[in-house]
Amino acid sequence: GAGVSQSPRYKVAKRGQDVALRCDPISGHVSLFWYQQALGQGPEFLTYFQNEAQLDKSGLPSDRFFAERPEGSVSTLKIQRTQQEDSAVYLCASSLAPGTYEQYFGPGTRLTVT
Amino acid sequence: GDSVTQMEGPVTLSEEAFLTINCTYTATGYPSLFWYVQYPGEGLQLLLKATKADDKGSNKGFEATYRKETTSFHLEKGSVQVSDSAVYFCALSKDFDQGGSEKLVFGKGMKLTVNP
Repeated sequence: GAGVSQSPRYKVAKRGQDVALRCDPISGHVSLFWYQQALGQGPEFLTYFQNEAQLDKSGLPSDRFFAERPEGSVSTLKIQRTQQEDSAVYLCASSLAPGTYEQYFGPGTRLTVT
Repeated sequence: GDSVTQMEGPVTLSEEAFLTINCTYTATGYPSLFWYVQYPGEGLQLLLKATKADDKGSNKGFEATYRKETTSFHLEKGSVQVSDSAVYFCALSKDFDQGGSEKLVFGKGMKLTVNP
C-alpha cells in the first residue's frame, strides 16, 4: 500500500516568504508527527497530532511555525517569514495509533531559504 | 530533558566485518528504544525496537538489547554486507502515561559504509 507522502520534495524560498509543506499520512493512521532535520543531525520533534487534535507542539521553534490537520488526515506545516536558519529537511511520520510504537516516515521536504 | 548519544562516525568496514554502534540514553521513567535506518535515497525506517528493560530487538541480522543498568542500547551485527551501507539513528520515546507524546528523540546518526 501507499506510504507517507510529502510535497513538495524540494522548496526554495527567499528570506521573508511564507511556505506550506504538505503531508499525506498512511490511510487510517491516527498519529502524525512533524520533525525537522538539519544537515548532519538527527531529526528533532516539532509537533504531534492525534486525529485532528494537536496534542503536543512543544518542539515548534517559534510562533512563525504553525501546523494543522483539520480533518484528521492530511497535515500542513506552515512557516511564516522564513529565515535562513529554517533551512532543513522537514519529515512527516505517521503511526497507526498511540502505543503501536512504529512510526512510518515520509521522504521529507528539503527547504532552502536564500 | 531526554537525550540520546550515539557514535557519530563516519565508519567504513569491509564486508563480513563485525559491527557495533554504541548508543546511550538519558531519560526519566521507562522509555522505549529504537534503531532507525536511512538507506541512500530512501526515508527513515524502523530497524528494531525494545520496549522494556532486558528486551532484545532483532531484524535483518541486527540485534540490540535494552540495558537499563547502563542506559544503553548498542546495535550489533556479526557480519555486515554492502547492502547495510546507510545512516543509523538511535532513538527513544515515552508513552502518554509517562508524560510523553510518543515523539521520538534521536541521536545524531552514524553513517556506515561497507566495502566489498
